[in-house]
Amino acid sequence: EDKVVQSPLSLVVHEGDTVTLNCSYEVTNFRSLLWYKQEKKAPTFLFMLTSSGIEKKSGRLSSILDKKELFSILNITATQTGDSAVYLCAVKVSNAGGTSYGKLTFGQGTILTVHP
Amino acid sequence: DTAVSQTPKYLVTQMGNDKSIKCEQNLGHDTMYWYKQDSKKFLKIMFSYNNKELIINETVPNRFSPKSPDKAHLNLHINSLELGDSAVYFCASSGWTSGGYNEQFFGPGTRLTVL
Repeated sequence: EDKVVQSPLSLVVHEGDTVTLNCSYEVTNFRSLLWYKQEKKAPTFLFMLTSSGIEKKSGRLSSILDKKELFSILNITATQTGDSAVYLCAVKVSNAGGTSYGKLTFGQGTILTVHP
Repeated sequence: DTAVSQTPKYLVTQMGNDKSIKCEQNLGHDTMYWYKQDSKKFLKIMFSYNNKELIINETVPNRFSPKSPDKAHLNLHINSLELGDSAVYFCASSGWTSGGYNEQFFGPGTRLTVL
C-alpha cells in the first residue's frame, strides 16, 4: 500500500524562525510530489516536484525532492503568523496502465503554529 | 466566480439518515474527486471520475455512492449515515495549469456531523 509520512506532526515557532518540514514516501509508480497549505478551508497548492535535486522556490518557501532517498523537504524562512497552517504532502502515482488520473496519496500533515 | 464549489458547507444530521453533497466546477476540467478528511486532518481519496466515468474507487463502504451527471458535476450520496462518517468532505477537480503541470483544485469542503 502506498504510504506518505510527514514529520514533525506539529511545530510551534516564533516569527522570524526558519522551519523545515519533512515528507517521506513509499509508493509504486511515483509520478510527482506535491505540497499544499491548508488554513481554515481547502488545501491550496504550493509546489509540484518531479525531478530530484531541483529546488522550487516561491518567496520565503522552497522545496526540494530526493527520489533516491524518497523524501522531500519544505523550507519556510523568516516565518510569519500568516504561515500558521497545516502543510500537506501528497504523492501522485500512476496506475498499472501508466496513467494516474491524478490519484494523490496524502501524508497526515504538519501543523505549523507561528507565534508573534 | 468560484472555481470548485460545494453545497452545503455544513451538514448536521442524525444517524441512519440519507444525505447528499453536491459539487460543481467551472474550470472545464475532465477529472473530479471526492476526499474525506478526518478529525486528525488526514486527507484520503474516495472516488474519482474522468469524463463522467468512475476511475478511482478506493475502499469505502457501499453506503457511499458518487454520481456524475456531467463532467462539471460530481455529487456524493451517503445512505444510512453512521457516527464515523463525521468528517470534512472535499471535492476537487484537476487540469493542466499554464505552468505546465496537472494541479488539483479543491472546493471549500463540507463539514458533515452525524449525531
